[in-house]
Amino acid sequence: AQSVTQPDIHITVSEGASLELRCNYSYGATPYLFWYVQSPGQGLQLLLKYFSGDTLVQGIKGFEAEFKRSQSSFNLRKPSVHWSDAAEYFCAVARTGGSQGNLIFGKGTKLSVKP
Amino acid sequence: SAVISQKPSRDICQRGTSLTIQCQVDSQVTMMFWYRQQPGQSLTLIATANQGSEATYESGFVIDKFPISRPNLTFSTLTVSNMSPEDSSIYLCSVRTGGYGYTFGSGTRLTVV
Repeated sequence: AQSVTQPDIHITVSEGASLELRCNYSYGATPYLFWYVQSPGQGLQLLLKYFSGDTLVQGIKGFEAEFKRSQSSFNLRKPSVHWSDAAEYFCAVARTGGSQGNLIFGKGTKLSVKP
Repeated sequence: SAVISQKPSRDICQRGTSLTIQCQVDSQVTMMFWYRQQPGQSLTLIATANQGSEATYESGFVIDKFPISRPNLTFSTLTVSNMSPEDSSIYLCSVRTGGYGYTFGSGTRLTVV
């Protein structure tokens, strides 16, 4: 069964610093991977997704993620964090097979940004 | 991508009562999902509601507690029955479109007192 692990529960970075949020997945075939952001009291916003092809995926708000099959990882990066990036970030993998097709979410990483 | 209207956006309910949450989609979709997000937690799938078949519930969720209706390809409801404070959560509906495109409703923030 597919699963997603986000090892970091909470990360604090200084504004302007670079960011990397870790995500590891468990799935035998090529996974469909997603990163979502949820600001306090807000809904989920899709940052980017990977299905196939170029392993470096560009998303919105200056985010990118790199798919590494050898490491079963899909880490999210941003070169310079803004205070408005403070939020909860969720990595997800699509469940495939049969009538199942939902996303399976990691536990999330809360990002705090220091001024 | 699809647009979802989810109602209500929030509610405060007395324990022992029930609340029905509605999701209206602006296009026909086969796969619809209901999630629960407990305070400070991630999203957990409650059930998959595909039109034309009974909802499929995940382990730990039962139909008596979370009955779901899916009368057509654009609408679904989730009822949270006989509520207790432990049911205080955000409930979200989601649809899958165009292969692996996912859209989420804005969520229903439920507080049970």
